[in-house]
Amino acid sequence: EPEVTQTPSHQVTQMGQEVILRCVPISNHLYFYWYRQILGQKVEFLVSFYNNEISEKSEIFDDQFSVERPDGSNFTLKIRSTKLEDSAMYFCASSEQVGYTFGSGTRLTVV
Amino acid sequence: AQSVTQLGSHVSVSEGALVLLRCNYSSSVPPYLFWYVQYPNQGLQLLLKYTSAATLVKGINGFEAEFKKSETSFHLTKPSAHMSDAAEYFCAVSDRRRDDKIIFGKGTRLHILP
Repeated sequence: EPEVTQTPSHQVTQMGQEVILRCVPISNHLYFYWYRQILGQKVEFLVSFYNNEISEKSEIFDDQFSVERPDGSNFTLKIRSTKLEDSAMYFCASSEQVGYTFGSGTRLTVV
Repeated sequence: AQSVTQLGSHVSVSEGALVLLRCNYSSSVPPYLFWYVQYPNQGLQLLLKYTSAATLVKGINGFEAEFKKSETSFHLTKPSAHMSDAAEYFCAVSDRRRDDKIIFGKGTRLHILP
């Protein structure tokens, strides 16, 4: 069964550093998303992406965040200057029809 | 704005007993509804989805959910719990646009008692 692949599975970074989280969506999917889950809390929408541009973004997705599809397969989330409160599990998802397929997530720890 | 409310952050059932996880939704338009499961240290796996066909939706691992418009509910059930069902379960809602974001509930952690 096709999968959404996320790398790395765990990343530790110092506060103020830039991080790039990587995702390989399912190949024939057209819609891409990033979500995050702070430990013990619910899964929150960050951004949706279609046709090489952002479709929608949440209030969380401020100027520190950006997304990119640099080639035909990867979909990245960049956090320019990480804060302690950015520590969370970040999930990538893709869809073609109704209902997403999620990746296994990247656990980001900011120290 | 759409939202879902999951009643009970923790639910405990005995192995072999009925599992019932409650979810109520709020939506100004006919929604799509989902249940996802998250096992410890893993990602989110789609259990089942309602897209306006049959109101009783069957999913993986013996789970099913019934869409009740009059009650704005989409409760998840399983007739007989297994130890392997212990996980976090998320109810979610989206608009009927193909690219719409999914809004998750806060989740219900299911504990299975031996």
